[in-house]
Parts: sequence; C-alpha cells; structure tokens
Amino acid sequence: QVQLQESGPGLVKPSETLSLTCTVSGGSFSSDYWSWIRQSPGKGLEWIGYIYYSGSTNYIPSLKSRVTMSVDTSKKQFSLKLSSVTAADTAVYYCARGPGIAYSWGQGTLVTVSS
Amino acid sequence: EIVLTQSPGTLSLSPGERATLSCRASQSISSSYLAWYQQKPGQAPRLLIYGASIRATGIPDRFSGSGSGTDFTLTISRLDPEDFAVYYCQQYGTSPFTFGPGTKVDIK
Repeated sequence: QVQLQESGPGLVKPSETLSLTCTVSGGSFSSDYWSWIRQSPGKGLEWIGYIYYSGSTNYIPSLKSRVTMSVDTSKKQFSLKLSSVTAADTAVYYCARGPGIAYSWGQGTLVTVSS
Repeated sequence: EIVLTQSPGTLSLSPGERATLSCRASQSISSSYLAWYQQKPGQAPRLLIYGASIRATGIPDRFSGSGSGTDFTLTISRLDPEDFAVYYCQQYGTSPFTFGPGTKVDIK
C-alpha cells in the first residue's frame, strides 16, 4: 500500500517560491506517475501536473510558466516549485500517485501566501 | 479544457436511501476516463471509481458508476452513515485534467 507525505513551509511570502516535497513509502516508485493537486475554497480541486519517474512532465497551462516538478528516485521523492506566488495560490496542496487520476493521496498540506 | 458540471449541488437523504449523483462534461470524455472521489472533512479525497464504472480497490459494491460520452452517474445503492461526504468527478482523458465542483451528500 503506497503512502505519500507532503512536507514544506506552511507560509510563503508573496512573489516568493513555494516549495513542497512528497515522500513515497510502502510501494514502488519507479515506473509510475506522480501528481500534484491543490484545493482552495475559491477554485475547488485543481490538478497542477504530473511527473513520470523518468522526469518527463505535464503541467496545467495556466500555471506552466511558474511550475517546476522534479523527482529523486533514490530518495523516492518528488517535488513541486511554484514561483511568484500570490494570495490566489493559497490552498491545500496534495501529492498523489497517478498521471491525472489519483489512485492514492497524501494527507495534504496547507500553504498560505501572506506577508 | 473540459468543464465538468455536477448536480445537484447538495443532496439531502437518509441512511438506507439511494443516492444518484450526476456529472456532465462540456465535451466527450475519451475512453470513459472519468473518475469519482469521496472527500470527508479534513481528509484527502479517496478514489472510488475510475474508467467510469470500475470500483477502486476496497470500495464497497454499493458504489457504482455508469455513463459515457458527456454524461456520467455515481449511484450509492443504500447510504451508509459513513457515506455522507462530498463527491467529485474528474476527467483524466484530456489534459489539463479537470474536476467538477462537487456534490455534497448530507443527512436529511
């Protein structure tokens, strides 16, 4: 049973970069897709993008200019960076297993953008 | 992008009753790549159904999904007290993958 756990700062200042890491345990990491999804009261659930274990990515167009995902197979981790954040990026961020469909989810981490 | 609309917004029912939730897409969803998730307060969503009608591992058979093209349905045959939650549909056939706004099933 795959388990995922998000980690990273809960507070980010406007214009700075949001950085989160997801650690995977209890299952295979290679040969799989890993996604980031966020949930805010104003926009509901929003798929941000996915990264394949090999490093190929697919991002939502509306965030593509600000998003970078990376993977570290040796640590069974994948990461999200979102640059130039604003209050609109305040949300619970989830990591998940799957390319678009999310078979398993982390518990989520609230990231607030505020000075 | 494909826009998903869910109805009703809220469904008020009693335990033991049947729940029928609708998800409609702005364009046809390829290969029935439609999923349903359940979310309870303070928890992450949980995958219930994928491929429009395939139950995920461990999901009780009172949950069933149907539909194709642009119209999909999630049915809960007999509501258990633990089923009162918010349900989201998601299409994962065409990037960007999108979610519906959700249907809240609450206790009448």
